[in-house]
Amino acid sequence: EVQLVESGGGLVQPGGSLRLSCAASGFTFSNYWMSWVRQAPGKGLEWVANIKQDGNEKYYVDSVKGRFTISRDNAKSSLYLQMNSLRAEDTAVYYCARTRGSYYFDSWGQGTLVTVSS
Amino acid sequence: DIQMTQSPSSLSASVGDRVTITCRASQGITNSLAWYQQIPGKAPRFLLYAASRLESGVPSRFSGSGSGTYFTLTISSLQPEDFASYYCQQYYSIPRTFGQGTKVEIK
Repeated sequence: EVQLVESGGGLVQPGGSLRLSCAASGFTFSNYWMSWVRQAPGKGLEWVANIKQDGNEKYYVDSVKGRFTISRDNAKSSLYLQMNSLRAEDTAVYYCARTRGSYYFDSWGQGTLVTVSS
Repeated sequence: DIQMTQSPSSLSASVGDRVTITCRASQGITNSLAWYQQIPGKAPRFLLYAASRLESGVPSRFSGSGSGTYFTLTISSLQPEDFASYYCQQYYSIPRTFGQGTKVEIK
């Protein structure tokens, strides 16, 4: 059974940093693209970033470029999202998602809440 | 960026009803479309890809169609566990974008 477990969310002040982690199990992590998708409170889904199997290709939504960095450690079956210069509009539940091809999201974690507020 | 627009934003229906949700893309995306279901407080669940291909384990009452800019998700006979929000997502280009969601509520 595919399992994705996010951690690292919490309350942070505007301008602060946070690092999210996603621990994967139940599949061969190194065979898949992986993504982060977020959902602001009461709002819809927004793709944030994705990363290729070997980590050599990464893509981001414009609103986080230069502030967020996606990375992975295949030896640990883990995905990360380093978030810097956080803004109030980054407040959301952040989901880790296994990605088929680089296209769509076939398994999701339970999410971790990031709140940016003073 | 490709904008995805769903309609309606919400609908009320009864158990056993046939329900159709529409998703339109701001430009042609061939059949590069996926659908998700989200129950409040839960993570999204993957339903379909390539506009019409059902993911393994998803009940056959769910179906999808369309190509280009117009797509539909149909639930042939609504069940109690289907009351949720539904999202379309294009994967024709980066950034991947979602529709704003359609909430299916109990009448």
